[in-house]
Order: sequence, then C-alpha cells, then structure tokens
Amino acid sequence: DAGVTQSPTHLIKTRGQQVTLRCSPKSGHDTVSWYQQALGQGPQFIFQYYEEEERQRGNFPDRFSGHQFPNYSSELNVNALLLGDSALYLCASSWTGLMAFFGQGTRLTVV
Amino acid sequence: QQQVKQSPQSLIVQKGGISIINCAYENTAFDYFPWYQQFPGKGPALLIAIRPDVSEKKEGRFTISFNKSAKQFSLHIMDSQPGDSATYFCAASKISGTASKLTFGTGTRLQVTL
Repeated sequence: DAGVTQSPTHLIKTRGQQVTLRCSPKSGHDTVSWYQQALGQGPQFIFQYYEEEERQRGNFPDRFSGHQFPNYSSELNVNALLLGDSALYLCASSWTGLMAFFGQGTRLTVV
Repeated sequence: QQQVKQSPQSLIVQKGGISIINCAYENTAFDYFPWYQQFPGKGPALLIAIRPDVSEKKEGRFTISFNKSAKQFSLHIMDSQPGDSATYFCAASKISGTASKLTFGTGTRLQVTL
C-alpha cells in the first residue's frame, strides 16, 4: 500500500511565478490537508479538502488555492510567489479525522 | 497566535535514558493530541496519539501523559536509542465530523548520544 505521495520532491521557482504541487492520498483516505513547514518550524495548516470542497482554511492569503479531484488526489497552487513562500509543503491524508498520514513533502525554493 | 507551546527546543539524552518533551495548549475545544516524529528531509510520521478521556497511553517505548486540568501533555521516550534522534512535534486538533486541522508545536530536536 503506497502511502501519501507528493510530486515533485524539489522545485525551484522565481519570484512572481506560479507553482502547482500534487498529492495522492493513502489508499482509503478521502480527506487531504496541506501544510507549510518553514525551516526549523512546525507545519502550519493551509487548507483541507473533502468531497472536492475546501472545508477549512488556515491563515494564508488567497494566492494559495487548491483543488481536490474525484479520485481524492489534490493540488496546491501558489500564485505570485514570494521569497517567503520557500518552505517544505506537506500533504496529509486521513479518513476519520484521526491518524493523519503525511507525505515526504515538496521542497519549494523561491529565488 | 501560538495555541500549542512545546518545550524544550532541543534535548540531548544519553543512550538508555528517558527523553521527556512537554506541550501545553490553550484551546479547551481540542480533543485529539498526536505526536509526530520527523527525520531530516522526510515528512512527519505519526508516533502515538491520545484523546482527553484517558490520562496515559503507552505504545512500546513511547508514552503520552495527559493532564486535562492543566491543559498539558507530554511524550516520554524510554530507553532512548540513537535511532530516536529526530525532531518531535506535538499537535492538537478538534475532531468535528470530517477530518480537522492539526495545530503543531514548534518542535523539539532530540539527540541521543552513545
């Protein structure tokens, strides 16, 4: 059973560009959450998708948007990239709200 | 606004010793408290979790102690091993219907020496 898979693993973008990150949840999971983890910090909640709708959102600007597909996979889009967006972006999937499983993350570097 | 405070920031323990990491939360609506272990370059891995209806949960060498009145919980790692060297995060959430967001502490970098 493949766990949560994220792609790409590493990405370098220029300020002002747009980026799309992808996540496939663990088999049997229907809820996907995205987190941003700055270096040396704990993950910060961005938003959560369930039944293809955004159910909860953290304190992130509208430049951060997402989507969930019928097969439960998800995308995170970030527009107008800033240097401060450089971080590890984590996807977590779950089913009952407990035992969220994280992927290995996408390391985004904005230059 | 930091809703989950974690200490210490870093911890050095000798092999075979006990590692203790503490967390305190503010939101009394939280009803699920997991601990995650993260190795460099990897995503956090769920270690152990507790609900507030119990005061202690043990899984192997890992134990969570929970004090609801003090709004505090802690992770004890017994017989610490060099392979336990990692960053540990406590987290809290309110389970409501479907999955809920996790609020993380700032992390504790644990180093277990020989």
